[in-house]
Amino acid sequence: GESVGLHLPTLSVQEGDNSIINCAYSNSASDYFIWYKQESGKGPQFIIDIRSNMDKRQGQRVTVLLNKTVKHLSLQIAATQPGDSAVYFCAENYRGYGQNFVFGPGTRLSVLP
Amino acid sequence: KAGVTQTPRYLIKTRGQQVTLSCSPISGHRSVSWYQQTPGQGLQFLFEYFSETQRNKGNFPGRFSGRQFSNSRSEMNVSTLELGDSALYLCASKNRENEKLFFGSGTQLSVL
Repeated sequence: GESVGLHLPTLSVQEGDNSIINCAYSNSASDYFIWYKQESGKGPQFIIDIRSNMDKRQGQRVTVLLNKTVKHLSLQIAATQPGDSAVYFCAENYRGYGQNFVFGPGTRLSVLP
Repeated sequence: KAGVTQTPRYLIKTRGQQVTLSCSPISGHRSVSWYQQTPGQGLQFLFEYFSETQRNKGNFPGRFSGRQFSNSRSEMNVSTLELGDSALYLCASKNRENEKLFFGSGTQLSVL
C-alpha cells in the first residue's frame, strides 16, 4: 500500500482554544485536497476541501491552508469543542495513480475540559 | 438522501474462509471506492469501480476482488482469509471525478 507504517500523533488542546492539525502530502501534481474527521466506530466524515488554485478556504469554525511550495496542508479549528475530539485525516487526489485519493496517517485530536 | 450503506457491520471469519462485503452508494453516485483501514497502515486504497468497470486498483494481492452492478451497488470479496486481513473495510462513493468521497460506516472484519 501507499501509506507508511505509522504511529498516530496526538494533539491535545483545551476546550475553547484553537487547534491546528498539519499534514504533508506526497505528490506535487495532486490538485485537490480534503480533510476528514473520523469518530470512533464511524467512517470518515467530510469537513472541508480545497483545490490547488487556492491557498486558503474557510468553513464554519474551520480553515484549510495549502502551501504547494512545501507540499503542506493544515486544518485550523476555531474554539475547539469536546465534539471535535476525533482522528483527522488529510487526503490528496493522487493523480499518479488515476483518480484515487491517498490518505495521510491521521492525527488524533483530544479536547480537554 | 440516504448515505453510503455497508453491510454487514461486523463479521467474524476464520483463516482460509472467504468473505463478501456489500456497499450501496448514495443515489446517483456511479463511482464506488473501497479502502482498508488498520491501526498499523492507516487508510489504504483497494480499488475503484465506475459504471461496472474497475477503474483503479491499489497494491493488494489478487485475493481481494470486487465488482459493481448496474445499479452502482458494489461488492468486494476476499478469498483465503489471513489473520492480517482483519481490518475495517470502508466503501465510499462520489458523484464525479475530482469530487469528495462520501464514506459508509464500514464493515469490521475479524479473522481468527
